[in-house]
Amino acid sequence: AQSVTQLGSHVSVSEGALVLLRCNYSSSVPPYLFWYVQYPNQGLQLLLKYTTGATLVKGINGFEAEFKKSETSFHLTKPSAHMSDAAEYFCAVRPADSSYKLIFGSGTRLLVRP
Amino acid sequence: DAGVTQSPTHLIKTRGQQVTLRCSPKSGHDTVSWYQQALGQGPQFIFQYYEEEERQRGNFPDRFSGHQFPNYSSELNVNALLLGDSALYLCASSLTTEQYFGPGTRLTVT
Repeated sequence: AQSVTQLGSHVSVSEGALVLLRCNYSSSVPPYLFWYVQYPNQGLQLLLKYTTGATLVKGINGFEAEFKKSETSFHLTKPSAHMSDAAEYFCAVRPADSSYKLIFGSGTRLLVRP
Repeated sequence: DAGVTQSPTHLIKTRGQQVTLRCSPKSGHDTVSWYQQALGQGPQFIFQYYEEEERQRGNFPDRFSGHQFPNYSSELNVNALLLGDSALYLCASSLTTEQYFGPGTRLTVT
């Protein structure tokens, strides 16, 4: 069965530092890939997505992610963290087997230190 | 343009009761999916509705049922509530590959 692994339940960075949140998926066929952000007591907001084409995807709020098929990874990065980036981040896949559901990782909480 | 809306925001029920949660999709979207997010976990897919029919279902018991109306809005019904049903229930609407989520309904079962 398809699965998503997010390494690190908590990541702490200083304001202005690089943000790197890791996501690996299990699939022999590249799925559609997504990153969502969830602020406390709110729903999920789509940050970016990969379906086909360019493997480096740019999203909102300065985030980007790179699809690496050989590593089955879709890591999320941001060059300089802001205090407002503190939130829970979820990686999700939509399998390529005509499935309509999203399969989510367990999430990574990003803490930004002043 | 209103996004996905859900009601109610919070709900407290007793074990064994039944609950109905409601969702209005983003304008122009015809597909609604429901997810359960337990505390500290990622959302889990319950089911998806398209053209008023359940198109796909996740690993949830039959106590979980749904409905989609002609205006694309949707309801999630849960019967015989268990303590373990306490969670944030998220509705997502879509037209193509992207799913847009509502703020969720926080259900507490006591």
